Amino acid sequence: AQKITQTQPGMFVQEKEAVTLDCTYDTSDQSYGLFWYKQPSSGEMIFLIYQGSYDEQNATEGRYSLNFQKARKSANLVISASQLGDSAMYFCAMSYHNAGNMLTFGGGTRLMVKP
Amino acid sequence: DSGVTQTPKHLITATGQRVTLRCSPRSGDLSVYWYQQSLDQGLQFLIQYYNGEERAKGNILERFSAQQFPDLHSELNLSSLELGDSALYFCASSVSRNNEQFFGPGTRLTVL
Repeated sequence: AQKITQTQPGMFVQEKEAVTLDCTYDTSDQSYGLFWYKQPSSGEMIFLIYQGSYDEQNATEGRYSLNFQKARKSANLVISASQLGDSAMYFCAMSYHNAGNMLTFGGGTRLMVKP
Repeated sequence: DSGVTQTPKHLITATGQRVTLRCSPRSGDLSVYWYQQSLDQGLQFLIQYYNGEERAKGNILERFSAQQFPDLHSELNLSSLELGDSALYFCASSVSRNNEQFFGPGTRLTVL
């Protein structure tokens, strides 16, 4: 069974600094996808970034980048130049490409950006 | 705005009742997924439909059922509601079975 672990329940970061949110996963499958979602206090789930297991380059989307280390089974999210609006819950998720692509989520990390 | 719509936004009901949650996927998306987010269970996959057919089932109770209609909108039916069913229910859609999923704003269900 696939499992996603986010070991940081909560984190603080100073505005304008970079922050790394950790995510490790457990799978024996070769074809899978890794996702990060942001959930602000309003509750919606906002898609941030995606990394396929066969992608050789780390994914980037604006201030978000995914540090994908396949051998270590980690998919850490890096947010550069943190902004106050980045304060939210962040979820790492995984899907199996051969199993309908449903997402398995980690427990989340609450990020708080300090002014 | 993800392009996925869900109604209603909030729902308050009593134990034993039945409710229907509705989801309209993004234009062109064939896959619809339902997820439940609760304080004790976190975010859990419930069920997936692809172009009208059920494709995968997760931790969905027998009291819950879903369907996807020819116009691709989906409904999640929750019956014999219990206090523990109180949660945020999300619908997500994607173009195919292997693409990124975009979430709707969710329906917050409160069972009293």
